[in-house]
Amino acid sequence: GAGVSQSPSNKVTEKGKDVELRCDPISGHTALYWYRQSLGQGLEFLIYFQGNSAPDKSGLPSDRFSAERTGGSVSTLTIQRTQQEDSAVYLCASSLIVVQAGGDTDTQYFGPGTRLTVL
Amino acid sequence: AQSVTQLGSHVSVSEGALVLLRCNYSSSVPPYLFWYVQYPNQGLQLLLKYTSAATLVKGINGFEAEFKKSETSFHLTKPSAHMSDAAEYFCAVSWNSGNTPLVFGKGTRLSVIA
Repeated sequence: GAGVSQSPSNKVTEKGKDVELRCDPISGHTALYWYRQSLGQGLEFLIYFQGNSAPDKSGLPSDRFSAERTGGSVSTLTIQRTQQEDSAVYLCASSLIVVQAGGDTDTQYFGPGTRLTVL
Repeated sequence: AQSVTQLGSHVSVSEGALVLLRCNYSSSVPPYLFWYVQYPNQGLQLLLKYTSAATLVKGINGFEAEFKKSETSFHLTKPSAHMSDAAEYFCAVSWNSGNTPLVFGKGTRLSVIA
């Protein structure tokens, strides 16, 4: 039914604090992606979950970043000891891997993003 | 490594004029190519995609794009711009399918002048 949702829509935190960003993918989508959109770097891939496979973490910029996906659905991106350069919009997307009636594979559907500001 | 180049960070056109947003890619394998649009304070919305079927792809809102392998290009066009087309446009590529992480271009901001 609904699209990808993310919460919070905005988050302001102080340098050094930990933050958690949440993503609810489209129901039935087995693949989930996190991207970061910043002025200096554009849109960058962070991490990718596909079903029960080990996640592809190749885009995470440092070990302060981690993500998990519980029950193959909701995902949480955690940033520890936030730095000012972490300020960005964090976008989540999901896609359908297995062809289903009426389904559209090969398309990532994006949420509205979480705008993170680190003071 | 794959990369995407969008020529022109900002394009301005008059209402009713042709819209042309350029995208070139580098990929060692046949690519999957996408154009997304982002309106202010919103997420990305898929305009169209190329997945090795027809080279001329038609998308939403009257946009289309043509995959030209010889030129490694996937330029986005629309015959007549509307004010509502003003937004940021991103070209993206993936190496396997649309279900693998996308590599995005830097984006092109389209302004439409009345």
